[in-house]
Formats: sequence, structure tokens, C-alpha cells
Amino acid sequence: NAGVTQTPKFQVLKTGQSMTLQCAQDMNHEYMSWYRQDPGMGLRLIHYSVGAGITDQGEVPNGYNVSRSTTEDFPLRLLSAAPSQTSVYFCASSGGLGLEMVNEQFFGPGTRLTVL
Amino acid sequence: KNEVEQSPQNLTAQEGEFITINCSYSVGISALHWLQQHPGGGIVSLFMLSSGKKKHGRLIATINIQEKHSSLHITASHPRDSAVYICAVRSGSARQLTFGSGTQLTVLP
Repeated sequence: NAGVTQTPKFQVLKTGQSMTLQCAQDMNHEYMSWYRQDPGMGLRLIHYSVGAGITDQGEVPNGYNVSRSTTEDFPLRLLSAAPSQTSVYFCASSGGLGLEMVNEQFFGPGTRLTVL
Repeated sequence: KNEVEQSPQNLTAQEGEFITINCSYSVGISALHWLQQHPGGGIVSLFMLSSGKKKHGRLIATINIQEKHSSLHITASHPRDSAVYICAVRSGSARQLTFGSGTQLTVLP
């Protein structure tokens, strides 16, 4: 299994540009999420999904869109990049739903994004 | 919102020392995770706890639900243990995690 994969690893954008960060997992996990990590702060949840066709907002959703057309893929779209979106982005997945509440999270390697 | 506080923020130790990293949280939880972030940036899950104690090799994690506190211990520390250690909690039936800001551990040879 490849686990959770993310592309690209590094990206530089200009203010106002749009782009999509890709995330895929091959573990048949229902739950997927996107986090951003900024210096001195804990990871913060941007958006998450509990299954194909179902997404919801996390703590810091503004400026980002997500979709979940398949179980495997969970892309994150930056609509109009801003310098405040300079960060490291992590995708994560975990399995099990319902009564199985305690699940290990698997993280992708991260995407380091700089917005000029 | 569940606040998660870790201490210390930075920790430098000599090889072989016993290390403790602490995590406190403000409201009830269903699970607590300890994660390790390598210098290259990758994050791996070390432990997932809802009660008691877990051990894996030189790592031990404990949790006291009543005191809303968890500790991560590293015995016989080694330079390869140098990393950021992150505590995260899950509240109730929610799948989302709330993260602490991490503890940067440096183990010197």
C-alpha cells in the first residue's frame, strides 16, 4: 500500500492564482481531512469528508474548496491564492465509522506552499 | 472548543536521558493521539489512547482522564528521537482532532 500520497511536494504561487493540491489514499478509508500547519501553531482543520459525496468545513475553511467524488481522492482547491495561505498542508485519512470512534490517522508527506 | 496545551515547547537532552513531554486538555475526550513529526516534515502516529498506558519499544504513553492530562515518555533517548512530538485529542463522537502546538525535542550525542 502507498498509504496517503500528496502532490505536489512544493509549490510557489502568485497572489490571485488558483491551484489544486492532490491527495489520494489506497486504504479504503472513509474519513479524509485537510490540515494546514503554521509556525508556532498546531495543525488546523480546513475541510474534512466522512465518505464519497460528503464534505464539511473545519476550523479554517475560507479560501478553500474540496470535493470527494471517490473514496480514494480528496483534492483541495485554492480559489484565489493569498499570502496568508502560505503554509504546509497535510492530508490525512482514517478508517471506520459509527461506533468505531477511535481510529489511527495516517498522514500524507505534506505540500509546502508559498504565495508571493 | 477543546484547548490542548503541551509542555515544554522545546526540550534538549543528552543521549540516554529519560524524557517526558506533557499534554493537558480542557474538556472531555474520547481519545488522545501522540504523533511524531520528523525533521523532513512527515507525521506518523505513535499512540492512540483512551485510558491507561501503552508502551512501544522505548516509548510509553499514559493518560489520566480525571486530570485531563497525558504524558509521553522516552527511555534511553537517542539522537534519532529528535523530532517534534504532537498531542491531539478527539472529543466525543467527532472524527476531527484538535492539536497541540508540538514539542521540539533535540537529543544530543
